[in-house]
Amino acid sequence: DVKVTQSSRYLVKRTGEKVFLECVQDMDHENMFWYRQDPGLGLRLIYFSYDVKMKEKGDIPEGYSVSREKKERFSLILESASTNQTSMYLCASSPRGSGGFYNEQFFGPGTRLTVL
Amino acid sequence: AQKVTQAQTEISVVEKEDVTLDCVYETRDTTYYLFWYKQPPSGELVFLIRRNSFDEQNEISGRYSWNFQKSTSSFNFTITASQVVDSAVYFCALTLYNQGGKLIFGQGTELSVKP
Repeated sequence: DVKVTQSSRYLVKRTGEKVFLECVQDMDHENMFWYRQDPGLGLRLIYFSYDVKMKEKGDIPEGYSVSREKKERFSLILESASTNQTSMYLCASSPRGSGGFYNEQFFGPGTRLTVL
Repeated sequence: AQKVTQAQTEISVVEKEDVTLDCVYETRDTTYYLFWYKQPPSGELVFLIRRNSFDEQNEISGRYSWNFQKSTSSFNFTITASQVVDSAVYFCALTLYNQGGKLIFGQGTELSVKP
């Protein structure tokens, strides 16, 4: 089974702190994604990566950065956390494979971040 | 611009009822994929189905069925004889040919199946 793990299920941070959210997948997938989920808005893409050291901005990259130093790990960084970044953060991965970028994505359990 | 709309925010049914979740999408591209995901209370999204824009065949998988109609830009999901375990948030999503796998999600429909 594909497994995508995220470092924390729940996280509480203070405004201005630097926050690291870690995501690890164990199926050698090329593509990895970070989303945030907010009520009434569905999931919105923050950043994605299709290879080591590669990154692409999603729809809402402001206030975030990412790092992909190893194929299995994709980190989301909040440089200076703000209260409007309180949300559920979901990581996903997908193989490039024969379906290209249209393969289904496999999701982690999410990290619920609260910024006070 | 691309968009996915799930107009039903919440649906509540009694076990064994059939229920249809609506999904309407907007895109000018001719090559795209549509997905449905289920998010149970545990939080982890589970992939249900993928359909490409050139395949309008309806699909049935057990109690689940999907109706894809390009003429109305809809990709609706029906659960037959619903069960309590079907209670979850369901998301419809769209990805385009040249967008690197970016999924555009609808707002989600929360389905509650009561015994």
